[in-house]
Amino acid sequence: GAVVSQHPSRVICKSGTSVKIECRSLDFQATTMFWYRQFPKQSLMLMATSNEGSKATYEQGVEKDKFLINHASLTLSTLTVTSAHPEDSSFYICSARVGSSPQHFGDGTRLSIL
Amino acid sequence: GQQLNQSPQSMFIQEGEDVSMNCTSSSIFNTWLWYKQDPGEGPVLLIALYKAGELTSNGRLTAQFGITRKDSFLNISASIPSDVGIYFCAGDKITQGGSEKLVFGKGTKLTVNP
Repeated sequence: GAVVSQHPSRVICKSGTSVKIECRSLDFQATTMFWYRQFPKQSLMLMATSNEGSKATYEQGVEKDKFLINHASLTLSTLTVTSAHPEDSSFYICSARVGSSPQHFGDGTRLSIL
Repeated sequence: GQQLNQSPQSMFIQEGEDVSMNCTSSSIFNTWLWYKQDPGEGPVLLIALYKAGELTSNGRLTAQFGITRKDSFLNISASIPSDVGIYFCAGDKITQGGSEKLVFGKGTKLTVNP
């Protein structure tokens, strides 16, 4: 149980392109979803917390206009990296939880901006 | 911001050996979690600890939540090659805004030589 699916697993695109990443909880309804960014050989850095039907809460230093989060249902959250540039290249990981249960993570999306 | 001090940063061991890693913090956490991350994938939950002093096992893994709620250790007994990966501790806390979020350690990279 508690399976989180993230799609796509890898994206390579040109600078200036907007990229959408989907995060789905497959066998449970997630009250909260989270988006993380991970640089090579580093830990996970929380970008934003998303509750279904409400605006996402962004961490300090994360541009909300750059990283658009939509949480339209209890099983789907999307992260759109708008007008992506090479410095946005990273490993993006989502997680989902029910109430106060532990977060379960997707398999991540490797974003490479040329 | 809050940090978890995780040690050691890396470990090189022989197959069959036992492993121990730990995390400490200056802050109290409600829940303590241990995750394992393989290259190019998202973290997978290993053990969740909810009560101060709690000792929990999951197969060859054993973890304990410190009595002060500021530390935890993870032991792996009789290591095998598939134990290779990066192990993260994470503390679950309630923010001033009432939301819950994870604070991660920097990870322990485990290498097991056959």
